[in-house]
Amino acid sequence: GAGVSQSPSNKVTEKGKDVELRCDPISGHTALYWYRQSLGQGLEFLIYFQGNSAPDKSGLPSDRFSAERTGGSVSTLTIQRTQQEDSAVYLCASSFSRVAPLHFGNGTRLTVT
Amino acid sequence: SQQGEEDPQALSIQEGENATMNCSYKTSINNLQWYRQNSGRGLVHLILIRSNEREKHSGRLRVTLDTSKKSSSLLITASRAADTASYFCATDAGETSGSRLTFGEGTQLTVNP
Repeated sequence: GAGVSQSPSNKVTEKGKDVELRCDPISGHTALYWYRQSLGQGLEFLIYFQGNSAPDKSGLPSDRFSAERTGGSVSTLTIQRTQQEDSAVYLCASSFSRVAPLHFGNGTRLTVT
Repeated sequence: SQQGEEDPQALSIQEGENATMNCSYKTSINNLQWYRQNSGRGLVHLILIRSNEREKHSGRLRVTLDTSKKSSSLLITASRAADTASYFCATDAGETSGSRLTFGEGTQLTVNP
């Protein structure tokens, strides 16, 4: 079956513009995570969705960042008024439950010029 | 500082040698997971060890967990050039940590043919 799919794979945008990053999780996975990875660094937690529960947004770095998950499936991470420090790889992961191992997509590499 | 810190940061060995990577963490955990990341790709789950387990094997991988020292090690035996990747430990502190797996900064392993 298909794995976690993220689009676009690369995005270059100008400072101040808004961007939308998309994640298609594995079918049937109720848990969905967004992480951010700067070059050569570990993963920084952003947000977590579990079923119909309220998302855990505690990792979002500012109010310019928001995410939605429609119908318990596809998720969109939106960054408004992008800044150069937003440049990173944004990774999406899904799992059967909170305690199950994560399945990652290949990420979206965002470059803000 | 960050939960789940790996050392060394980088490791270079010859094919056929064993590679050992260590992970230290600060809080109590439910489980600890190891992931692998090839350049430009997402992370792939390797192995999960629960807090009541001390050692676990999967193929050429051996993971140990010492909860008294809050540390884990990942041993790759008889390494191959294809094992070249970054390796991350991730800790699950249970509900007290909310929903997140906390990742370390990773160890970059290079296996020279």
